[in-house]
Amino acid sequence: KAGVTQTPRYLIKTRGQQVTLSCSPISGHRSVSWYQQTPGQGLQFLFEYFSETQRNKGNFPGRFSGRQFSNSRSEMNVSTLELGDSALYLCASSQEPGNTIYFGEGSWLTVV
Amino acid sequence: AQSVTQLGSHVSVSEGALVLLRCNYSSSVPPYLFWYVQYPNQGLQLLLKYTSAATLVKGINGFEAEFKKSETSFHLTKPSAHMSDAAEYFCAVDSGGGADGLTFGKGTHLIIQP
Repeated sequence: KAGVTQTPRYLIKTRGQQVTLSCSPISGHRSVSWYQQTPGQGLQFLFEYFSETQRNKGNFPGRFSGRQFSNSRSEMNVSTLELGDSALYLCASSQEPGNTIYFGEGSWLTVV
Repeated sequence: AQSVTQLGSHVSVSEGALVLLRCNYSSSVPPYLFWYVQYPNQGLQLLLKYTSAATLVKGINGFEAEFKKSETSFHLTKPSAHMSDAAEYFCAVDSGGGADGLTFGKGTHLIIQP
């Protein structure tokens, strides 16, 4: 069974631009969550989606948004990029909220 | 609020020696606890999880962890270290049924000396 798939794996953006990252969960998993990993702040919860609805959101500004489609695939968007948004963005999926989550390999975002 | 503290940002052991990575948590409700491993340039891989069944949890690659409520600890051990165990290890807690996501510790970088 294929794992969590994230695209693109690596990307470079300029300050002020926006970026969209994509995540395909494990087949049969309906819950998708996103995390940001940086050397300074470590791993931080961004948001979780289930049945196309955002269940909760971590302590991030409104520039960070996401959505989930009917096939459980998810996207996250960051608008007006700042240098501090440079990070590894990890997507994780679980069968349902509260179940064990499994991570993808992440999308490395560099903002210059 | 929940939090996780991992003692030691770097731990170095000799190949064949015992691995002990420490994790303490705080949670207002009985938590679910996890250990994840991250190899360079990769995502997180689940090593093991505690979900209120047996307090001694066995995971993959020979790792195990023991939940001690009185000490609010969930330390990770492996009897004999291999070179392939060199990686970053993260302890995480979930005491909100997933609604607030996992709260992770800062991670421990495990170095294996030949």
